[in-house]
Formats: sequence, C-alpha cells, structure tokens
Amino acid sequence: DARVTQTPRHKVTEMGQEVTMRCQPILGHNTVFWYRQTMMQGLELLAYFRNRAPLDDSGMPKDRFSAEMPDATLATLKIQPSEPRDSAVYFCASGLGSTDTQYFGPGTRLTVL
Amino acid sequence: EDQVTQSPEALRLQEGESSSLNCSYTVSGLRGLFWYRQDPGKGPEFLFTLYSAGEEKEKERLKATLTKKESFLHITAPKPEDSATYLCAVGGGSQGNLIFGKGTKLSVKP
Repeated sequence: DARVTQTPRHKVTEMGQEVTMRCQPILGHNTVFWYRQTMMQGLELLAYFRNRAPLDDSGMPKDRFSAEMPDATLATLKIQPSEPRDSAVYFCASGLGSTDTQYFGPGTRLTVL
Repeated sequence: EDQVTQSPEALRLQEGESSSLNCSYTVSGLRGLFWYRQDPGKGPEFLFTLYSAGEEKEKERLKATLTKKESFLHITAPKPEDSATYLCAVGGGSQGNLIFGKGTKLSVKP
C-alpha cells in the first residue's frame, strides 16, 4: 500500500530554533507539494516541485522558509528561525502532475513556543 | 480570480438523515474537481475526481456530482463513521496547482 510518509509527526520547539520536516513521496510520483493547514486559513500551498525542480514557492515566507528535494525519494521543508506564528500542521502530498490527484501524508504538527 | 467556496461550514445530521454538501467554484479551464475526506489528526484522503459537467461518481454512501459552477457531495443514510471534514479542490485556471476550499465539517450523531 503506497503512502506518503512524513517525519516527525509532532515537533515542539522554541522560537528561534531551526525546524526540519521530511517527506518521502509515493514511489513514481514526480510532483511533490508542501501545504500548511491552520483553522483560520485552511490548507495553504507553500511550494511544489516537479521532477525535483521547484516550480512555485510563492506561498512561502522567503526569509525563513526553504524547501528542497535532494533526491526523488526525499523532500525537506526547513524553517529558520521559527516563530510562534509558524505553529500549524504541515502536509506533504505527491502526485503525477500539479492538477492531478494529490495523495497526502499524515502531516507534521509543529508547535513553536 | 480562481476560488472555491464550500457550504455549509458545519453540518450536524442524525444517523440516517441524508443531506448534501456544496462546493462552488470559479476557475477558467477546469481540469478536475476533487473531493477529499479529512479525519482529525490525519491528512486528507482522496475520494473522487470529476472532470466534466454531468459526471457522477459513487462510493458507498457518498455520491459526487458536477455542474459548470458547483459540485455536490450527497450523503445517503449517513453513519457516525462518516463524521469528518470534507474538502473540495479544483485544478486549472491561472494557477498550476489545486485550489482548496476551507471544508465542511460533518458530524453524524447516532
């Protein structure tokens, strides 16, 4: 049963610390997305990649967030320095195209104190 | 501007009480309308994709329909295990990715 995996599932950190979240997309999927979900804003697209190349990162605060795909089996989202307003659930999703079905991971719940 | 609006925000039903959730959209060049189910503490789970007006898809007690301006998710004789947040998303328009609505939180009481 192919699934998107994310680590860690939960992260509590203090303001100013670096946070790294990891995602393993479904094998064979060439498009990877990072979303943030809050009660107020719902699901917001932060960035996405196709064939490991970044296509759109306009949803990310550029000064503190960065997203990369070191290889086809790993996507990372980093926040440095983290702030309390970054507290949210971060989801990774993968698919075969930007407007095709996306399959979501279980999410990383981030709390910044 | 491309956008997706879901209504109602929350819906409470008694077990067996059928109803519908609405997803209204404005997008130029629809390339698919997607329904997802999200349980608390979990990621959205894919349910259906609809591509053209008039298309319908069914899964157990759920049926999704599509017109040129909206989609409905019909729930027939719901059970408590159908309680979840249902998300709608559209692909197409000026953005090269899916645009999600804020969801409808469904609660089904026994």
